[in-house]
Amino acid sequence: DSGVTQTPKHLITATGQRVTLRCSPRSGDLSVYWYQQSLDQGLQFLIQYYNGEERAKGNILERFSAQQFPDLHSELNLSSLELGDSALYFCASSVEGGSVYEQYFGPGTRLTVT
Amino acid sequence: AQSVTQLGSHVSVSEGALVLLRCNYSSSVPPYLFWYVQYPNQGLQLLLKYTSAATLVKGINGFEAEFKKSETSFHLTKPSAHMSDAAEYFCAVREAAGNKLTFGGGTRVLVKP
Repeated sequence: DSGVTQTPKHLITATGQRVTLRCSPRSGDLSVYWYQQSLDQGLQFLIQYYNGEERAKGNILERFSAQQFPDLHSELNLSSLELGDSALYFCASSVEGGSVYEQYFGPGTRLTVT
Repeated sequence: AQSVTQLGSHVSVSEGALVLLRCNYSSSVPPYLFWYVQYPNQGLQLLLKYTSAATLVKGINGFEAEFKKSETSFHLTKPSAHMSDAAEYFCAVREAAGNKLTFGGGTRVLVKP
């Protein structure tokens, strides 16, 4: 158990819908990262938040957004969903944003868009 | 942009045999390198990391990796495979100035009895 929790574990929804994925980092970790794992794209970095502020952005679509709240949990919002958004979404956390501290990954949320 | 190449998407080894998973990276500056393992229906677990200290890094579960700058490689090895090593393994790189991890395509390991 990494200490990073993600809810829900599975999500099935229809095209055009909007969903919210939730992540709670390890106790004391200020940084949260979101990654997408799909069969065709592999593991891709989406976005990072550090202590409530956006720190880095990767291959995140405009239909996707994220935020980190004062209690440090984070939410990833996916809207106007398409079939191609079906993937495993991971959240990871680390102690600091600019160090070499390793990232600890949650169990992931499997999103299926039908 | 950084990239990570893992040679071989699938590797099959016999129980007790050497496990060798190859990882090559492209980076213009010395990177930080990681190996993660993903068991079925689970998240990624850190096996080991290289952060510019010793070039031979020992990790959990008997795995180790050697950083070779001249070859831009960070191959993962384990002397003797166990059935519990069946999983997918990911090599990842992070630039010193950045935060995100760039992952390789992953190598799925099958261990035969």
